[in-house]
Amino acid sequence: EVQLVETGGGLVQPGRSLKLSCVASGFTFNNYWMSWTRQAPGKGLEWVASITNSGGSTYYPDSVKGRFTISRDNAQNTLYLQMNSLRSEDTATYYCTIMALGYFDYWGQGVMVTVSS
Amino acid sequence: DIQMTQSPASLSASLGETVTIECRASEDIYNGLAWYQQKPGKSPQLLIYNANSLHTGVPSRFSGSGSGTQYSLKINSLQSEDVASYFCQQYYNYNTFGAGTKLELK
Repeated sequence: EVQLVETGGGLVQPGRSLKLSCVASGFTFNNYWMSWTRQAPGKGLEWVASITNSGGSTYYPDSVKGRFTISRDNAQNTLYLQMNSLRSEDTATYYCTIMALGYFDYWGQGVMVTVSS
Repeated sequence: DIQMTQSPASLSASLGETVTIECRASEDIYNGLAWYQQKPGKSPQLLIYNANSLHTGVPSRFSGSGSGTQYSLKINSLQSEDVASYFCQQYYNYNTFGAGTKLELK
C-alpha cells in the first residue's frame, strides 16, 4: 500500500524558514518524480514544486521560485521542501504527491503550515 | 501560463442524477488533463488522467471527455459518497488547477 507521511508543519513568523519532510513507503521511491502541492484554507490547489526521480532536476512556479527548494534522499525514501522567506500567503496545507507523467496519482494526508506573527 | 476556468463553482443535484463539470483551458492542452475528487477534511484523490482514462479503483460512473481546450467530468447516477469538491488540472505545460466545483446533494 502506498503511503506518504508528511511532517514538519507548524506556526512560523513571516520571513522565517521551515522544512517539510515526506516519508514514502509501499512503492519504489527512486522510480518516481515527486511533488509538493498546497491548498490555502478554503481555497483551491496550487502546485509548489517537482523533482525528478534522480533528484537531478527541479521545477517551481514563479510564486515560490527562489524561496522554496525541493530535494530528496532516495536512500531514506524521503522527500523534502525547504521553505525560506515565508509569507502570509504561504499559509496552507502542504501535500506530498507522487507525480506520474504530469498528474498526481497519490497524495499524502497533508501538513499545515501557518505563517503569522 | 495556462489558465484553467472551471464551471460551475457549485452544484446541487439529486441522488441518481447525472452531473457534468467543465474545464476550459486558455490554450490547447492536448489531453493533458486530470480530475481529482476531494471529500471534506481529506486529501484529493485522482479520478481521471489523460482526459478520459479512469484511475485504478475509481467507479465506472465517473468518466472524462474532451479535447483541445474544452474538457468535462461526468458522474452518472450520483451517489451520496460523491459529495465532494472536484478539481481539474492541466499538466501539458507545468501544472495549473481549476478553482474547483463543490458538489452537494439537493
